[in-house]
Amino acid sequence: KAGVTQTPRYLIKTRGQQVTLSCSPISGHRSVSWYQQTPGQGLQFLFEYFSETQRNKGNFPGRFSGRQFSNSRSEMNVSTLELGDSALYLCASSPGSPGNTIYFGEGSWLTVV
Amino acid sequence: SQKIEQNSEALNIQEGKTATLTCNYTNYSPAYLQWYRQDPGRGPVFLLLIRENEKEKRKERLKVTFDTTLKQSLFHITASQPADSATYLCALDTGNNRKLIWGLGTSLAVNP
Repeated sequence: KAGVTQTPRYLIKTRGQQVTLSCSPISGHRSVSWYQQTPGQGLQFLFEYFSETQRNKGNFPGRFSGRQFSNSRSEMNVSTLELGDSALYLCASSPGSPGNTIYFGEGSWLTVV
Repeated sequence: SQKIEQNSEALNIQEGKTATLTCNYTNYSPAYLQWYRQDPGRGPVFLLLIRENEKEKRKERLKVTFDTTLKQSLFHITASQPADSATYLCALDTGNNRKLIWGLGTSLAVNP
């Protein structure tokens, strides 16, 4: 079956703008998590959605938000972009129970200039 | 504070040797521990999951051990190949929620 699909793959935005990233999980998976990855910080958890509800949240400012649709597809939005938001944003899907493997997409590379 | 640590320095080994990567944690009681492989510019790929009541798990050339007393997991790649060169990440799952706790990863280079 198809893997996790993230779009766009690469994008460049200007400081102060906002960006929306999209994620289509594996069919049948109800949990979608978002991560930010930078060289020095590693994988930082942003939030997790399960059946359209935010179930977990990391320690990111309110400029980072997300949502999940009834078909489990998810979007994350970053408003008022800062240079430090430049990173690889990864989406991961899973069935949603403890001990489930999570499957990552290839990520969206965001560069803020 | 809660912490998860992996070998910070890159590991360089000769092809055919066994690579051993370490994941240490403090102040957690993980129900599961997972290992992932990540290639540059790509998302992590799941390798193995081991439960708290399991001491060892194997999959082909891969072996993971889990010592909850030492609070440590070891990840072994036997008969290593240059294609095994990548960054390897460990992640803790306390089982209470889906917020996995990730290590920073260890870079492995297998030289031909």
